[in-house]
Amino acid sequence: GQNIDQPTEMTATEGAIVQINCTYQTSGFNGLFWYQQHAGEAPTFLSYNVLDGLEEKGRFSSFLSRSKGYSYLLLKELQMKDSASYLCAPSGGYNKLIFGAGTRLAVHP
Amino acid sequence: DTGVSQDPRHKITKRGQNVTFRCDPISEHNRLYWYRQTLGQGPEFLTYFQNEAQLEKSRLLSDRFSAERPKGSFSTLEIQRTEQGDSAMYLCASSLRQGTDTQYFGPGTRLTVL
Repeated sequence: GQNIDQPTEMTATEGAIVQINCTYQTSGFNGLFWYQQHAGEAPTFLSYNVLDGLEEKGRFSSFLSRSKGYSYLLLKELQMKDSASYLCAPSGGYNKLIFGAGTRLAVHP
Repeated sequence: DTGVSQDPRHKITKRGQNVTFRCDPISEHNRLYWYRQTLGQGPEFLTYFQNEAQLEKSRLLSDRFSAERPKGSFSTLEIQRTEQGDSAMYLCASSLRQGTDTQYFGPGTRLTVL
């Protein structure tokens, strides 16, 4: 079976750091993507991990452990515009993305 | 702007009508995906094209749904005899089958079936 597990909601303060965890079980695995989605808009690409370890891109970093079926997205120096849903998506056969329900992040002043 | 476009952006129809959506991927992308997203959920995979060949269809895609990509460029998704349960955001994404193969999403078509 396929299962993606993320916290449903998180809150954080502007300027802080937040870590969004994701555990997954999929029947095939090519890599793991993180997308950001603002309400009513399409998902936008944030990061990609195929090997174990940390990938850093500016204020965003993503970590992957393939053996544990675990990933996290780290957001630093939070800004109000970071309030959005964050979608963890392992990729399977033909690189199709398998999404969970996502984590809604609310950033407060 | 990711470069993927979808048309129309919104569609309201009555139950039982047929609807067709169009997706224009990023020009050099050979992979094209359709997903469906309902409120509060992540996108669900519907179907995948590599160039003009439809290589995978989800079990979610009932016989009322059909998708084409006739020349390996734009794609259409048709829903026949729409039902209220078809109300959702239909998202198209494209990627280039090399490197990270990152999928870039279009703005989506929001379908409301009355």
